[in-house]
Amino acid sequence: DTGVSQDPRHKITKRGQNVTFRCDPISEHNRLYWYRQTLGQGPEFLTYFQNEAQLEKSRLLSDRFSAERPKGSFSTLEIQRTEQGDSAMYLCASSPGGLLARSYNEQFFGPGTRLTVL
Amino acid sequence: GDSVTQMEGPVTLSEEAFLTINCTYTATGYPSLFWYVQYPGEGLQLLLKATKADDKGSNKGFEATYRKETTSFHLEKGSVQVSDSAVYFCALSRSSYKLIFGSGTRLLVRP
Repeated sequence: DTGVSQDPRHKITKRGQNVTFRCDPISEHNRLYWYRQTLGQGPEFLTYFQNEAQLEKSRLLSDRFSAERPKGSFSTLEIQRTEQGDSAMYLCASSPGGLLARSYNEQFFGPGTRLTVL
Repeated sequence: GDSVTQMEGPVTLSEEAFLTINCTYTATGYPSLFWYVQYPGEGLQLLLKATKADDKGSNKGFEATYRKETTSFHLEKGSVQVSDSAVYFCALSRSSYKLIFGSGTRLLVRP
């Protein structure tokens, strides 16, 4: 068990460019989450996958954002036409738990991808 | 909507001092409550949790009690160490998947 990994760890881009981040969850974890954390704030929920199905998206996730989890393994988060306001740390987390699980399953977080939009 | 409020930091203490980090929440029903810790250069880690009123979560010498009457979940430790220096986040969940975090409190422990 190597934990949740994210790639890249840092990304600097110019406004208007597209960026894609990758998250590899702990193997056999069914659930995968994306959060965004801006400086001095706590993480904010963006979206959640149960296996390959994206079950909820926050209103923070504008049309420029898209997330996928093909085959229920790794996930990608793409931001199109980046804006300076997109600068933040993007966190990925995973947890076990089936579709019908009602109790909280501990979420294991990756180290994050820090995005800077110039 | 649901929210979590934490005391602002940084909190600076000498080694072996007593620690309290205040956390209050606003939520309908009976959320589960958590403390997460983020050490420098590392990802968020679950420190402790409590799932119902009057539960006490504890781990690594840290404790927090779920107080429904005051909607609080204050984090305490009797004797802090330099290695406890980190950012601490209080969080709640009313579902099995979404965490709502406070803004975090940075703790700096000096030798």
